[in-house]
Amino acid sequence: EIVMTQSAATLSVSPGERATLSCRASQSVSTNLAWYQKKPGQAPRLLIYGASTRATGIPARFSGSGSGTEFTLTIDSLQSEDFAVYYCQQYSNRPPYTFGQGTRLEIK
Amino acid sequence: QVQLVESGGGVVQPGRSLRLSCAASGFTFSNCVIHWVRQAPGRGLEWVAVVSYDGINKYYADSVKGRFTVSKDNSKNTVDLQMSSLSAEDTAVYYCARANAPPFSQNFYYSMDVWGQGTTVTVSS
Repeated sequence: EIVMTQSAATLSVSPGERATLSCRASQSVSTNLAWYQKKPGQAPRLLIYGASTRATGIPARFSGSGSGTEFTLTIDSLQSEDFAVYYCQQYSNRPPYTFGQGTRLEIK
Repeated sequence: QVQLVESGGGVVQPGRSLRLSCAASGFTFSNCVIHWVRQAPGRGLEWVAVVSYDGINKYYADSVKGRFTVSKDNSKNTVDLQMSSLSAEDTAVYYCARANAPPFSQNFYYSMDVWGQGTTVTVSS
């Protein structure tokens, strides 16, 4: 099983600033990596797939990068609605398709 | 609109069974791969199971293998998750999600682009 590790459990950033979230895979997943946003009481929302492709309707301030084992989600000019928990997920080859433990993005 | 709606959650005693259902609308369900994902209280997301577009191929997380069974009924636009031998560790909100895949994909390696709102399962005596 591929283990996904998000280095920061919590990230404190001020509104208007940039947030950089990291995710590492225990083995290469190529670019089979997605990022999701999760808010309490809501369903997860797909932000990025293929490591760097924004999902439909996702604002341009969200961007993803990386390949292999190291990935980054960058959120520019943080808005109030961006403060949430973010999960990376690998979907390389066969299941199981594991998630990282999540990074809580909080207002500084 | 494109929608997934889960149902069937509730409170169940340890060792008992429960069946969840996921109803789809607004898209061609019969050619889609569907996942189940859960989130235990205070925990992160955990992938649970996936079923192919035709309902034939299925995979499970080790934590549920042998206890959970996923089935897809394209005539009813539903995916069910039959859960048995439940324990407190199965307490969670259960989500179904559509794979962001081409129609009739024989592969599972895609992200999840449409999610239901979830149904809550509580295993407690």
